[in-house]
Amino acid sequence: QKEVEQNSGPLSVPEGAIASLNCTYSDRVSQSFFWYRQYSGKSPELIMSIYSNGDKEDGRFTAQLNKASQYVSLLIRDSQPSDSATYLCAVRRRDDKIIFGKGTRLHILP
Amino acid sequence: SQTIHQWPATLVQPVGSPLSLECTVEGTSNPNLYWYRQAAGRGLQLLFYSVGIGQISSEVPQNLSASRPQDRQFILSSKKLLLSDSGFYLCAWSVGPWGSYNEQFFGPGTRLTVL
Repeated sequence: QKEVEQNSGPLSVPEGAIASLNCTYSDRVSQSFFWYRQYSGKSPELIMSIYSNGDKEDGRFTAQLNKASQYVSLLIRDSQPSDSATYLCAVRRRDDKIIFGKGTRLHILP
Repeated sequence: SQTIHQWPATLVQPVGSPLSLECTVEGTSNPNLYWYRQAAGRGLQLLFYSVGIGQISSEVPQNLSASRPQDRQFILSSKKLLLSDSGFYLCAWSVGPWGSYNEQFFGPGTRLTVL
């Protein structure tokens, strides 16, 4: 089992709809979880961090964490063409190293 | 505010040549610094991290090395590049004690092509 797993996509979502990105992780002791957005040819940009079970909202973005299921997700409401990018899930392991998933490519259809 | 710089932005080097990539951080003191590589079709791979001047931890045995000569400067080097060293090299920083819930922030990256 990979430490951090994401569906590679592409995930195609109509403009204005909700995009849902999912991530599972293997280390039960993990305490910190991050979502990064990476545009083609650019470096990753941190958009959300979450540490407690439940939802965390920031503008159009909502991160959801379920430690019992070892599952973290990112919802993007009112999707815009500018949201088209690769989204990386990252998890801090018990040894404090951050492990990244390979990312999900999101394509917002105009 | 904090800023992270990397140079060069792009680099094309022949196999067997040396390499030196530089990363500097502004606006913070005593950051944790990281070097990652992102190869085509692969995820971000942590290469080195440093919690202070002269303190380097290596994650993957390879022909690369890192140094931290100053608090906010991190250098990635190689004596002889391999084809497999091609990739997007990213420097990142975080603040806070190692093991805290600190977030990492990335620099603009260096795209290296080894021919």
